[in-house]
Amino acid sequence: QQQVKQSPQSLIVQKGGISIINCAYENTAFDYFPWYQQFPGKGPALLIAIRPDVSEKKEGRFTISFNKSAKQFSLHIMDSQPGDSATYFCAATAGYSTLTFGKGTMLLVSP
Amino acid sequence: NAGVTQTPKFQVLKTGQSMTLQCAQDMNHEYMSWYRQDPGMGLRLIHYSVGAGITDQGEVPNGYNVSRSTTEDFPLRLLSAAPSQTSVYFCASRTAANEKLFFGSGTQLSVL
Repeated sequence: QQQVKQSPQSLIVQKGGISIINCAYENTAFDYFPWYQQFPGKGPALLIAIRPDVSEKKEGRFTISFNKSAKQFSLHIMDSQPGDSATYFCAATAGYSTLTFGKGTMLLVSP
Repeated sequence: NAGVTQTPKFQVLKTGQSMTLQCAQDMNHEYMSWYRQDPGMGLRLIHYSVGAGITDQGEVPNGYNVSRSTTEDFPLRLLSAAPSQTSVYFCASRTAANEKLFFGSGTQLSVL
């Protein structure tokens, strides 16, 4: 049973464009929703995270939008740059339990 | 701080061989975990530990053993390697009161 569904599997965006990655979850007990960024040959690193008491969180060019009723959250990368090319994972957890990850999205930002 | 250190970075095994993937962290994190990453499958939890002497199974524990004798170290053992265990393995740690996971740089394992 996949508790966090992520789409698309891959994404190509032109430099300066907006990248959007979506995730949906099933467990209503989830209370922490992070996004991790992974460059080739490296381990994932926390990019940005949100809790369900807010509908949006912005850090620089990265924004999480959260829809509690629809059980969905998404990552928006504004003004996408070639340096943003990486694999992005959404995840979710409840009460400091183990993180459940989505299957990942490979983002390529073309120059 | 070195963070989370994994060794080796690369390993090739023959079917049936055993080996231990090492993971150490110098951040005094209570929680440590092992994930495997396969194309199209994301990150799947193998085993985790909430403190020295305490371990538990994750989503895909079969074929792997762990132990946690110290806060710093969390080795992953493959007792009899199988081609299905070909993967990239990541160790990760965090404090008990913060969900932020810190990942190592990974071990790429090939089982022939």
